[in-house]
Amino acid sequence: RKEVEQDPGPFNVPEGATVAFNCTYSNSASQSFFWYRQDCRKEPKLLMSVYSSGNEDGRFTAQLNRASQYISLLIRDSKLSDSATYLCVVTGGSNYQLIWGAGTKLIIKP
Amino acid sequence: DAGVTQSPTHLIKTRGQQVTLRCSPKSGHDTVSWYQQALGQGPQFIFQYYEEEERQRGNFPDRFSGHQFPNYSSELNVNALLLGDSALYLCASSLWFGTLAPGELFFGEGSRLTVL
Repeated sequence: RKEVEQDPGPFNVPEGATVAFNCTYSNSASQSFFWYRQDCRKEPKLLMSVYSSGNEDGRFTAQLNRASQYISLLIRDSKLSDSATYLCVVTGGSNYQLIWGAGTKLIIKP
Repeated sequence: DAGVTQSPTHLIKTRGQQVTLRCSPKSGHDTVSWYQQALGQGPQFIFQYYEEEERQRGNFPDRFSGHQFPNYSSELNVNALLLGDSALYLCASSLWFGTLAPGELFFGEGSRLTVL
């Protein structure tokens, strides 16, 4: 089992719709969680950190479920510019090394 | 305020050759991490440098080595290149938080290496 797993997609979603995807992690000792966004052939950029209480930033909401060991990302009122690959990042083990998922590709259609 | 800069942006090598990639971190950052990203995959952690020392290392062979200079810039060296080393090599800068995971990594645009 991979340490961090994501549905590779692609998720094809009409503009204006709401889309959500999850990321599961295997290490119950993981402490920090992040969502990064990566546009095609570009570098990853931090989208948001994921806190235990969940957090919201505009149209984006991230949540953590420690019991089931997954984090989620919800995008409301999706825009064409949201098309990208969304990477889940989790700290693994005692050395706090960052473990990256392979990403979920999102395509927003007009 | 300069962000993370990497060079070269693209390069082509043949099997068995050696390559050196360079990275200048974001102004004010003191920690550099290197990642390998194969097509369709997430970034894989290679190693991290702080105060000119390798602080953490991922599951990469000794063919991958690095260095950090007093000005915080860094180099990644790969010896005896294999076809499987073809990938995007990303440099990320951050502030050092000791054993704590960095809050945010700032990435350069990467160096795309093709091994023929």
